[in-house]
Amino acid sequence: EAQVTQNPRYLITVTGKKLTVTCSQNMNHEYMSWYRQDPGLGLRQIYYSMNVEVTDKGDVPEGYKVSRKEKRNFPLILESPSPNQTSLYFCASRPILFGSPLHFGNGTRLTVT
Amino acid sequence: DQQVKQNSPSLSVQEGRISILNCDYTNSMFDYFLWYKKYPAEGPTFLISISSIKDKNEDGRFTVFLNKSAKHLSLHIVPSQPGDSAVYFCAASGESTNAGKSTFGDGTTLTVKP
Repeated sequence: EAQVTQNPRYLITVTGKKLTVTCSQNMNHEYMSWYRQDPGLGLRQIYYSMNVEVTDKGDVPEGYKVSRKEKRNFPLILESPSPNQTSLYFCASRPILFGSPLHFGNGTRLTVT
Repeated sequence: DQQVKQNSPSLSVQEGRISILNCDYTNSMFDYFLWYKKYPAEGPTFLISISSIKDKNEDGRFTVFLNKSAKHLSLHIVPSQPGDSAVYFCAASGESTNAGKSTFGDGTTLTVKP
């Protein structure tokens, strides 16, 4: 089954404790991206990657890191999480062709206390 | 500056009637628009799209209209069904500005009453 898999689904952590949210897709998509969803703010793009070893900032990249060492994986790293990073995070992928629709994972709900 | 806006946070319609969800944008360089549907505890799923060279795209019960001069698009669902109850997001991209970026609206929660 074609899918984008995020782990974990739920995560509670404390301020400053480094964490990684994993994202993997099995559709051989070149493009991958991370979003956060907050009430009243919709989906905001954090980082995206057009292909292996190519990453770029979205609209809200502060406090986040990503890497794209393999085509299928695009982990999101929070080196020093803060409470304002409490949010619902979605990973997505699509073919490189502009206008192709995104395929989303089921989300990771992160709480930073 | 919010470049994509969905001004109605919620919409309630009766089963069988038409649902119209609206989306406005400010960036004239956007040239591709997509609608996604999201159920609770799931990721968004793609519904329908339209490029700026068209003014209408239809897929079954779903039709998207684009008015470039007004920078406005709308999603029509006819007839509406209870299973359509979800949050709907519109998204916009501009190939000439930054093909990797997608800008989403805040979403509209649609409730279809049986």
